[in-house]
Amino acid sequence: QKEVEQDPGPLSVPEGAIVSLNCTYSNSAFQYFMWYRQYSRKGPELLMYTYSSGNKEDGRFTAQVDKSSKYISLFIRDSQPSDSATYLCAMSRSGGSNYKLTFGKGTLLTVNP
Amino acid sequence: DAGVIQSPRHEVTEMGQEVTLRCKPISGHDYLFWYRQTMMRGLELLIYFNNNVPIDDSGMPEDRFSAKMPNASFSTLKIQPSEPRDSAVYFCASSLRWTQYFGPGTRLLVL
Repeated sequence: QKEVEQDPGPLSVPEGAIVSLNCTYSNSAFQYFMWYRQYSRKGPELLMYTYSSGNKEDGRFTAQVDKSSKYISLFIRDSQPSDSATYLCAMSRSGGSNYKLTFGKGTLLTVNP
Repeated sequence: DAGVIQSPRHEVTEMGQEVTLRCKPISGHDYLFWYRQTMMRGLELLIYFNNNVPIDDSGMPEDRFSAKMPNASFSTLKIQPSEPRDSAVYFCASSLRWTQYFGPGTRLLVL
């Protein structure tokens, strides 16, 4: 079993839809959870991060972590065509900059105008 | 700041040739990471440095791969000899604290 599982999609939604992206993981040592967005032919960029369980909101984006179920989610409200990208979840065992990130394979999202 | 700079952006080479990928991290960042991304395996960490010192190279696939960081503003990832299965996008990232900033990547095709 892979440490981090993520449905690769592709996921296609109409503009304005609510999008739900998810990852599951097997290693209970993961403490920090991140979502990266990667546009085509670009490097990933950090979108959101959370520590342990709970929710975090930033504008149209909400990240949720359920450590008891080893399940994390990213919700995008009022999705826009500019949100079309690959979304990668990532996790690490320790905080600060001295961490190793384990990534999911990414979910390709297309938001249609 | 120009962000993380990688060169070349594209590289096509023949099996058996030596390939050198280059990275200039963001000034002031003390961590540098090399990743490889493929459709099959996703984004994988190969090696990372702290203050120019390699900390963890457990992700380097085999001895054909080597990485150096001679100073705070430059790092190289070398593949010698290259094989077709090394074809991938190679990313360099740097960080000071939390966030890792990725470069645009080098697309490597080994024929």
